Amino acid sequence: SYELTQPLSVSVAQGQTATITCGGNNIGSKSVHWYRQRPGQAPVLVIYRDNNRPSGIPERFSGSNSGTTATLTISRAQAADEADYYCQVWDSSAVFGGGTKLTVL
Amino acid sequence: QVQLVESGGGVVQPGRSLRLSCAASGFTFRTYAMHWVRQAPGKGLEWVAVISFDGDNKYYADAVEGRFTISRDNANNTLYLQMNSLRPEDTAMYFCTRDIILTGYWEYWGQGTQVTVSS
Repeated sequence: SYELTQPLSVSVAQGQTATITCGGNNIGSKSVHWYRQRPGQAPVLVIYRDNNRPSGIPERFSGSNSGTTATLTISRAQAADEADYYCQVWDSSAVFGGGTKLTVL
Repeated sequence: QVQLVESGGGVVQPGRSLRLSCAASGFTFRTYAMHWVRQAPGKGLEWVAVISFDGDNKYYADAVEGRFTISRDNANNTLYLQMNSLRPEDTAMYFCTRDIILTGYWEYWGQGTQVTVSS
């Protein structure tokens, strides 16, 4: 079955740029979606189809996807960005990465 | 505005059944595919099942195939998940989500309903 690999944790200083990766076999050929989940809350879509932002998501959030790695980039990180982030694709079924805990220092 | 409200969760013994509901409002329910996604305590997200806008097509994760049944009532804007032969590993928060197609992305989520399978 298809697998997505994310780092368990990423730390970033407030105001700096955070990068969260999502690795998968030839993931560049798939559409990647990213979700943010704060503790005790439902997930929120932050990027869809590799690099598109839903309405209400700041321009600070961007995505890219090529080869074997998709990347979520959060510019000018804020305390409110602290959360778990999940990448997701479709293979024979929906597949999520294991999630990355983003800490803003 | 789009609202998805899950209900029906609770504590149930292994081997028993439970039916979850998801009441939808703020959009034309009958034109959207719908999914269930779950999250075990302290764990990541796991897709469970999807149903097409008209109910004709249904797909399941291997972990629930043959035990869970997804269905919908378009007249009453409600999505269901019938869960039979429940196991402790089915313990999770269950979310319903809306999708434009069967294999898209999920912009709208409910707040979830907790299912605990324990003796």
